Amino acid sequence: GQNIDQPTEMTATEGAIVQINCTYQTSGFNGLFWYQQHAGEAPTFLSYNVLDGLEEKGRFSSFLSRSKGYSYLLLKELQMKDSASYLCAVRDTPRGSTLGRLYFGRGTQLTVWP
Amino acid sequence: GAVVSQHPSWVICKSGTSVKIECRSLDFQATTMFWYRQFPKQSLMLMATSNEGSKATYEQGVEKDKFLINHASLTLSTLTVTSAHPEDSSFYICSARVSVEQFFGPGTRLTVL
Repeated sequence: GQNIDQPTEMTATEGAIVQINCTYQTSGFNGLFWYQQHAGEAPTFLSYNVLDGLEEKGRFSSFLSRSKGYSYLLLKELQMKDSASYLCAVRDTPRGSTLGRLYFGRGTQLTVWP
Repeated sequence: GAVVSQHPSWVICKSGTSVKIECRSLDFQATTMFWYRQFPKQSLMLMATSNEGSKATYEQGVEKDKFLINHASLTLSTLTVTSAHPEDSSFYICSARVSVEQFFGPGTRLTVL
């Protein structure tokens, strides 16, 4: 089975840095993704980690430790528009001709205050 | 990035009727598409994997006779919610994978009265 855990809610102020943690226990692992989702909209891709370490992409960075089943998304220089739900997702291993499936955590609702 | 479209964006139907949702990959071919469902303030739950030219693979607990999936071409997958009931009201999102990334459609809001 798949178990992906992340905090339900977080708050921060504009200009600050926030770290959203994600732990996972899955039957297979073929990459970890972070998505941003605004209310009523589809998720948009933020980052992808398949090897241990830090991936940096502008104001957003994502870290992965496979041995610990742990990842975090780091958001710097927060802006009001960053208020959204942040979804941690794990892809399982492909089987035969079937592509790996993406399983999501419950999402962390981030509110950025002025 | 790749573009995935869905139609309709929202639909309201009466209990007992069937609703078809279309998912299209606009600028690429998608051998495999995924269908998700999201209830309010919940995360995305994978319902099934749609494979072009073959039967869909359903996740545990998802009724294949209720949620009919057809992947007739490399750019189109459809999800039909048969005999819809109020508890089927949800946000349905399709997704397609291009290389490593997975792109999502804009979603379809289904309300069953």
